[in-house]
Amino acid sequence: IAGITQAPTSQILAAGRRMTLRCTQDMRHNAMYWYRQDLGLGLRLIHYSNTAGTTGKGEVPDGYSVSRANTDDFPLTLASAVPSQTSVYFCASSDSPERGYGYTFGSGTRLTVV
Amino acid sequence: GQNIDQPTEMTATEGAIVQINCTYQTSGFNGLFWYQQHAGEAPTFLSYNVLDGLEEKGRFSSFLSRSKGYSYLLLKELQMKDSASYLCAVMDSNYQLIWGAGTKLIIKP
Repeated sequence: IAGITQAPTSQILAAGRRMTLRCTQDMRHNAMYWYRQDLGLGLRLIHYSNTAGTTGKGEVPDGYSVSRANTDDFPLTLASAVPSQTSVYFCASSDSPERGYGYTFGSGTRLTVV
Repeated sequence: GQNIDQPTEMTATEGAIVQINCTYQTSGFNGLFWYQQHAGEAPTFLSYNVLDGLEEKGRFSSFLSRSKGYSYLLLKELQMKDSASYLCAVMDSNYQLIWGAGTKLIIKP
């Protein structure tokens, strides 16, 4: 692994089903983030974690949950998927955002809820 | 509220220079970032400005004026591979990034 790995790459999901998007990083970054990207809207923060054991809500958290049991993993769960959750989901991490270090992004998960 | 504005789309010619503008209104300011995103790929870091002025990095330069809430990304000697979306993002008082919707840059031969 080098950087951030997301899985699956893409998924078609029936409405009402539960799904977990996986995100793993090997850079030992403290901060991790989940974004969704929709055409014309830019990246919107769903949930974040500043360090292992802590999480926080972003701009669009409803319908999603996260956990941060350790430094490396930050899974995103959709408890009961709805079509409006169709989007591209990016996981990102940062070592020290307060010192101007940029975010490193995973390659994304393209989710379609039907 | 927090707001970041950048043009939706721009077109430029290979070998030319293009300037992509970004204006922002955010709760606090801890730096401004520019990212490049090719279609179907993840964003990649281009530049970071926290003080006023110009930061140059090869063919790319980024400028910041905090008093005007304004930044631009300058791309010189455009190449076809520069065709991508360019995302402006501001780090707010909580050290979280607020993102613009991105500017799609189309390079023509």
